[in-house]
Amino acid sequence: LAKTTQPISMDSYEGQEVNITCSHNNIATNDYITWYQQFPSQGPRFIIQGYKTKVTNEVASLFIPADRKSSTLSLPRVSLSDTAVYYCLVGDRALYNQGGKLIFGQGTELSVKP
Amino acid sequence: DTAVSQTPKYLVTQMGNDKSIKCEQNLGHDTMYWYKQDSKKFLKIMFSYNNKELIINETVPNRFSPKSPDKAHLNLHINSLELGDSAVYFCASRSTTGTYGYTFGSGTRLTVV
Repeated sequence: LAKTTQPISMDSYEGQEVNITCSHNNIATNDYITWYQQFPSQGPRFIIQGYKTKVTNEVASLFIPADRKSSTLSLPRVSLSDTAVYYCLVGDRALYNQGGKLIFGQGTELSVKP
Repeated sequence: DTAVSQTPKYLVTQMGNDKSIKCEQNLGHDTMYWYKQDSKKFLKIMFSYNNKELIINETVPNRFSPKSPDKAHLNLHINSLELGDSAVYFCASRSTTGTYGYTFGSGTRLTVV
């Protein structure tokens, strides 16, 4: 399974755009990139997944360059409620579909200030 | 209408005791997991069940024993609790035919004193 590296923490202010970058240099051809969000005292929550280029949903955007060795989670106009830990995960979709596991790294602790 | 529910939410117990944590999901998922999150926030997989069959059994002391009576339930029983077992335990589920990833419960904070 590909190892991921992301900043341990980030600070931001309300209304700003936040970009969290994740490095995954040894990503495999079949691997997908998935981001989870964990609020204090809650379990992680799926927010976005992609394979290449750009994916956007109501919560965030995910940018993946052509070499796929990194990815950037973009949160537009953050609010205080976006304060959470954000995890980048890379997984083999075949294992994923066979009851396999995803490995959570340390995550990025985002603190949004007023 | 909670998707993945765990009970209890908090559990304080003495060393040496035996305790159980229950998990139920109403999403129709066929795979369930137990994760442990330590004080440094690392989430580590412990067990995975697919249709009541044990799929993943990480390096976990045999004091921890999962049981899946049906594919909607996965319980975790812990014998002879130790101080180092203090952590937050998360249950999760997913469908092996879906693409939405894991759905996690809200966690059980276990404190061993």
